[in-house]
Amino acid sequence: SQQGEEDPQALSIQEGENATMNCSYKTSINNLQWYRQNSGRGLVHLILIRSNEREKHSGRLRVTLDTSKKSSSLLITASRAADTASYFCAPPQGGSEKLVFGKGTKLTVNP
Amino acid sequence: DAGVIQSPRHEVTEMGQEVTLRCKPISGHDYLFWYRQTMMRGLELLIYFNNNVPIDDSGMPEDRFSAKMPNASFSNLKIQPSEPRDSAVYFCASSLDRAGGYTFGSGTRLTVV
Repeated sequence: SQQGEEDPQALSIQEGENATMNCSYKTSINNLQWYRQNSGRGLVHLILIRSNEREKHSGRLRVTLDTSKKSSSLLITASRAADTASYFCAPPQGGSEKLVFGKGTKLTVNP
Repeated sequence: DAGVIQSPRHEVTEMGQEVTLRCKPISGHDYLFWYRQTMMRGLELLIYFNNNVPIDDSGMPEDRFSAKMPNASFSNLKIQPSEPRDSAVYFCASSLDRAGGYTFGSGTRLTVV
């Protein structure tokens, strides 16, 4: 089944550094979404990138999409301790509205 | 809008008891999703609805699990009888349309002892 596979599984950086997380998927998509989950909380939608877009920005977030490689990346610039969370990519399954989440990347930003 | 509202936040129950988890989606959202999260299995999609109609329940683990959406403002997920392996955080999410982002509730942490 289609689900995003995030890499790395865990990432630890210092405050102020940039964090890059990668996502690979298997089948063609219309869009791909990224979510954040703080410990003990629900997921929060960060950004949606459509298949005809190559890059999208939202504040300190930059998402890229390469449909030829079936991959996406999430860059967080000038990271803060508050960015500590798990990050998930979610490609829709089979062109549907159904999102199947992978294991995520656990990001730790050390003050 | 208050977002997606789930209740209760925490539930501790004994094995064999019936458990009911509740969800109020965002008004106007056409899609409602139920997920379960554990350390071992991550986030699993259990079932989802479109306009109150169940579309895909292939993720429901077994017949002990059932979910209904009697109207656009409410859904419940029932486990009867509950078992210790059902212990997890259960999330409800809603979406405006098929291409939109999901809004998740805060989850219900279920512990079955």
